Amino acid sequence: DAKTTQPNSMESNEEEPVHLPCNHSTISGTDYIHWYRQLPSQGPEYVIHGLTSNVNNRMASLAIAEDRKSSTLILHRATLRDAAVYYCILRDQTGANNLFFGTGTRLTVIP
Amino acid sequence: EAQVTQNPRYLITVTGKKLTVTCSQNMNHEYMSWYRQDPGLGLRQIYYSMNVEVTDKGDVPEGYKVSRKEKRNFPLILESPSPNQTSLYFCASSPSIRLFGYTFGSGTRLTVV
Repeated sequence: DAKTTQPNSMESNEEEPVHLPCNHSTISGTDYIHWYRQLPSQGPEYVIHGLTSNVNNRMASLAIAEDRKSSTLILHRATLRDAAVYYCILRDQTGANNLFFGTGTRLTVIP
Repeated sequence: EAQVTQNPRYLITVTGKKLTVTCSQNMNHEYMSWYRQDPGLGLRQIYYSMNVEVTDKGDVPEGYKVSRKEKRNFPLILESPSPNQTSLYFCASSPSIRLFGYTFGSGTRLTVV
């Protein structure tokens, strides 16, 4: 599976936008970009996914670079409940149904 | 409520004493999987099942067994637990291989002494 690179940690002020970057320079044409987050003492939670076009849902937006070698998860207004570890994951839809979780980015939201 | 339920949430056991961690989902999902989470290593897949009676190894299957006799249940079995299996375990499910959005359980923290 192609791997992703994320910063270990980031901080954001409450009610400000947060841009969480992810590099995936070895992404293949069939890889989807997924984001999950893990709140303290909980299991991971699906956030969003995309292939080529930018995506929006109620939780976040996903901006995908034109060459698909990087992407950014955007939280439009960070709240204290958004403090979590965010995982950027590539998933090949032609292969086994597996998610490879790296170590993610720990987001701290400052009141 | 749609959910993945794991039991127990916490377990302390001794080396060599067989144990089973249960996982059940009420969403009629075909796909289920077990992960372990260790500091600095992220989540790693242990076993997965694409449907009833169909299971396969993930990245770290050694020391674990699974079974999928019913669609809703996917127990994780440690025949002879060792201290290196001390970890936080998560069960997950999704509708099928082609659909997105895994639902994870709340986790089982296992300590083997």
